[in-house]
Amino acid sequence: KAGVTQTPRYLIKTRGQQVTLSCSPISGHRSVSWYQQTPGQGLQFLFEYFSETQRNKGNFPGRFSGRQFSNSRSEMNVSTLELGDSALYLCASSLVPSGALNEQFFGPGTRLTVL
Amino acid sequence: DQQVKQNSPSLSVQEGRISILNCDYTNSMFDYFLWYKKYPAEGPTFLISISSIKDKNEDGRFTVFLNKSAKHLSLHIVPSQPGDSAVYFCAASAGGSARQLTFGSGTQLTVLP
Repeated sequence: KAGVTQTPRYLIKTRGQQVTLSCSPISGHRSVSWYQQTPGQGLQFLFEYFSETQRNKGNFPGRFSGRQFSNSRSEMNVSTLELGDSALYLCASSLVPSGALNEQFFGPGTRLTVL
Repeated sequence: DQQVKQNSPSLSVQEGRISILNCDYTNSMFDYFLWYKKYPAEGPTFLISISSIKDKNEDGRFTVFLNKSAKHLSLHIVPSQPGDSAVYFCAASAGGSARQLTFGSGTQLTVLP
């Protein structure tokens, strides 16, 4: 079956703009988590959605938000972009949030560059 | 404050030899640890995991060791192959219903033919 898909794969924005990234989980998966990967920081957890509800949130400012739709697709939005928001944004899907952590599958990511 | 640390950003190993990747953590509430492998332009893929009730888990060429008293885990790859060249992330979870993963910063492994 198809894996986790993320669109767009690459994005260039300027400071102050806002951006929306999309993630389609594996068919049947209902939980989506978002991570930010920056050099030297590894992957940092942003938030997790399940059944259209945010279940968990990492330590990021309110400029970062997300939502999940009834078909389990998820979007994340970053408003008032800053240079430091340049990163690879990864989403991961799993059947349910309480499932085994090794059953979390990652998408290829969206590379965001803020100029 | 990084709760999961991978202090070696890169490691080079000759093909056929052992690769040892290290990871340290500070949060004593972590009870489940995972290793992920990431190739360029792809998302991380799960490699192997270990629960805090064990000190070793083996899967083929990959073995993970956990030393709870030292808050240290390591991934051994024997024998190393050129296809193993990738970035390796260790990750940890504190369990409970909020099972989010805390990742290290990754180690780039290069296996030389």
